[in-house]
Amino acid sequence: AQRVTQPEKLLSVFKGAPVELKCNYSYSGSPELFWYVQYSRQRLQLLLRHISRESIKGFTADLNKGETSFHLKKPFAQEEDSAMYYCAFVPGGSNYKLTFGKGTLLTVNP
Amino acid sequence: EPEVTQTPSHQVTQMGQEVILRCVPISNHLYFYWYRQILGQKVEFLVSFYNNEISEKSEIFDDQFSVERPDGSNFTLKIRSTKLEDSAMYFCASGPLGPYGYTFGSGTRLTVV
Repeated sequence: AQRVTQPEKLLSVFKGAPVELKCNYSYSGSPELFWYVQYSRQRLQLLLRHISRESIKGFTADLNKGETSFHLKKPFAQEEDSAMYYCAFVPGGSNYKLTFGKGTLLTVNP
Repeated sequence: EPEVTQTPSHQVTQMGQEVILRCVPISNHLYFYWYRQILGQKVEFLVSFYNNEISEKSEIFDDQFSVERPDGSNFTLKIRSTKLEDSAMYFCASGPLGPYGYTFGSGTRLTVV
């Protein structure tokens, strides 16, 4: 079955601490992976996509095919990073349907 | 930066009534989607639309739901007879052809009373 697992529902860190939000996927092919962020009931915003290998707002994510993981990392968390983070993937195919994980609520404490 | 626009931002309707949620996707995008997020739960795929027809739909997208692109710019989701459990945030998204991720609208909060 195609699915995305985000094992942590809640993650709380202090400002300046490193943060890692875990994401594992289950898919036999080569997926395209994304991280979306949702600030306080606002719209879902694309944060990262693995194909572009970019860093946005200090976040990075590396696709590890051996571990089928796409963990999101930031070396120094900021209070404004507090939000809901969703890992999502698109299986190979032509319609690019996103499958989301259940999300991790990150709280960065002062 | 181009945006996906959704209207209304909040709609309250009585159970059994029909509702139409509207979306204006980004103009050069080819794929259109509706997703739903029940309060406190994950974002769920409802339906994808390409080349003027549904390309995929989830088990949630039953006969009560329909989508249309009536005029080449708007993309609508209709729920014929709303149920209490249809209360959710409904997100429209559009995407280009290619693995670049989507742009989501700001959502319509549907409350069925």
